[in-house]
Amino acid sequence: GAGVSQTPSNKVTEKGKYVELRCDPISGHTALYWYRQSLGQGPEFLIYFQGTGAADDSGLPNDRFFAVRPEGSVSTLKIQRTERGDSAVYLCASSSSGQERYSGANVLTFGAGSRLTVL
Amino acid sequence: AQKITQTQPGMFVQEKEAVTLDCTYDTSDPSYGLFWYKQPSSGEMIFLIYQGSYDQQNATEGRYSLNFQKARKSANLVISASQLGDSAMYFCAMREAAGGTSYGKLTFGQGTILTVHP
Repeated sequence: GAGVSQTPSNKVTEKGKYVELRCDPISGHTALYWYRQSLGQGPEFLIYFQGTGAADDSGLPNDRFFAVRPEGSVSTLKIQRTERGDSAVYLCASSSSGQERYSGANVLTFGAGSRLTVL
Repeated sequence: AQKITQTQPGMFVQEKEAVTLDCTYDTSDPSYGLFWYKQPSSGEMIFLIYQGSYDQQNATEGRYSLNFQKARKSANLVISASQLGDSAMYFCAMREAAGGTSYGKLTFGQGTILTVHP
């Protein structure tokens, strides 16, 4: 597709449940990122994929959070045993180093986000 | 210490006027990049403008320009001729080179809500 697609756009779940959030990046973008944005805050980095591998997962808050990108395209962020504090908008972004205008800038293109509410 | 500081929680501007959104940053890395993103109520983050730490000229992109003052560690966004559609949240972000890599691990500020009045 033309942009980064995230599904679902909204997810309401109960405390303790398992949740999956999906991201479909821009075709051909090898780099994929997950960020989390709490209400009134800027996005915070969670994890970065280069191809199929997680190159940097230093932002994952704890071991309840896990993300995969098995074929180097679509990624899924998985949250186990959800807690009320996990409520946030989860943003996915992708990038390619082939953007000549901003060579070296590695500009991220973001999706519209998945709003997660844990009751 | 905050790496990115946006001290203006909210700003108001009259349509067709110019407005400056402040951003200061903190890094010891000599190679870094500064970004501004716009986030309308729809939630999508829209890239506006980029400034590299070694760029000699201030970045410009249409009605957006970046007032880069390296010694003061500031990277203010200037929007000229404001339009009603500019009303949104604006985020300043920094990417540090982190040992030679330049992937997109961005640190964002708290954001500034801009309201454009007719």
